[in-house]
Amino acid sequence: ETGVTQTPRHLVMGMTNKKSLKCEQHLGHNAMYWYKQSAKKPLELMFVYSLEERVENNSVPSRFSPECPNSSHLFLHLHTLQPEDSALYLCASSQGGGSGANVLTFGAGSRLTVL
Amino acid sequence: GQNIDQPTEMTATEGAIVQINCTYQTSGFNGLFWYQQHAGEAPTFLSYNVLDGLEEKGRFSSFLSRSKGYSYLLLKELQMKDSASYLCAVMDSNYQLIWGAGTKLIIKP
Repeated sequence: ETGVTQTPRHLVMGMTNKKSLKCEQHLGHNAMYWYKQSAKKPLELMFVYSLEERVENNSVPSRFSPECPNSSHLFLHLHTLQPEDSALYLCASSQGGGSGANVLTFGAGSRLTVL
Repeated sequence: GQNIDQPTEMTATEGAIVQINCTYQTSGFNGLFWYQQHAGEAPTFLSYNVLDGLEEKGRFSSFLSRSKGYSYLLLKELQMKDSASYLCAVMDSNYQLIWGAGTKLIIKP
């Protein structure tokens, strides 16, 4: 399988649940990203990993916890979420940051609903 | 603050031409990107402009004016499959991507 794959595609959880989102890329990229996409709002960058090291954490609440065990896999662990966390969570990868033409390849996203 | 502005929604007719504008105010500039996102799908890369002028790729073209902080995406010979959201993003001086909220393009027969 090629590209960026995200699972699950849809997730409904209660505020007390713990769940994880998974992202896998088969492109040989060395940077991976988590974005939050809410309706009619710009994409919000949550976390960036470069060469498996977290290089960015944009003041994201601690109820979101990323994990990058290797350059091909990225997880977003979720616990005690709030209804306002309901959104589409997009994973992306790129060949590397620090350059202008840093094209992102996105997954199709995980649609999260928090009840 | 940094800001990207693009229209929320546009409607056009199949076979016609449409221009989607994007204006930006950022701390520095290291290029401007356009992505296409069909409903329920991944955003996909369309174009990258770092120098002024027009870049053409088939039916799609992207224009940049750095002095005006302005770009547009031009779609020709519109097809129903072009119905999607179009996202404009600028890379600032720290190589951070600043995103617009996207323009939803509706194509009517």
